[in-house]
Amino acid sequence: DGGITQSPKYLFRKEGQNVTLSCEQNLNHDAMYWYRQDPGQGLRLIYYSQIVNDFQKGDIAEGYSVSREKKESFPLTVTSAQKNPTAFYLCASTPPGGGPGEPQHFGDGTRLSIL
Amino acid sequence: GEDVEQSLFLSVREGDSSVINCTYTDSSSTYLYWYKQEPGAGLQLLTYIFSNMDMKQDQRLTVLLNKKDKHLSLRIADTQTGDSAIYFCAETLYGNNRLAFGKGNQVVVIP
Repeated sequence: DGGITQSPKYLFRKEGQNVTLSCEQNLNHDAMYWYRQDPGQGLRLIYYSQIVNDFQKGDIAEGYSVSREKKESFPLTVTSAQKNPTAFYLCASTPPGGGPGEPQHFGDGTRLSIL
Repeated sequence: GEDVEQSLFLSVREGDSSVINCTYTDSSSTYLYWYKQEPGAGLQLLTYIFSNMDMKQDQRLTVLLNKKDKHLSLRIADTQTGDSAIYFCAETLYGNNRLAFGKGNQVVVIP
């Protein structure tokens, strides 16, 4: 089945460590997105990529980095510069054109916690 | 700008109707969406409405759009326990795949 796979489901980080969250899709979608979800704050866009080898900052990019070397993969690194990384991270993708009925498909998320 | 607002919590008895509201500020939005998020999961698209429509019905779901007041609502008829979730409204601009999400509305269905 086609879909978006995020791994791991739960991730723990020590202070000062970088961690990388994986997002893979086999939907042949061009655009991919990373969101951060905190209780009561909805989803906030971290980074997005419209095409391979290109990505743009979202609303809260500080302390995060991404790469888009392959169409299928859009990993997110939470760096030690991100002072409050505990959150639920969601990856999404859209097909070319992103028309109605298929705006964004979401993975099941990764919950990151600080030890 | 893009600023989507939602109220936070709603409890409803099983079998009753539930209504979730959302306001948005960007009058140039072309599509507005409702997503559902079950605990520990990603977001699932429920329905959407194009900005030139006033209403859309899809089985138990009815979406109403008041473009003058920038008000969007989702009515769930005959609410079931499986409808317990967080519901997000979102808007997108023409030619732009980015979405602006509301803060979500937690719906709890009481058996």
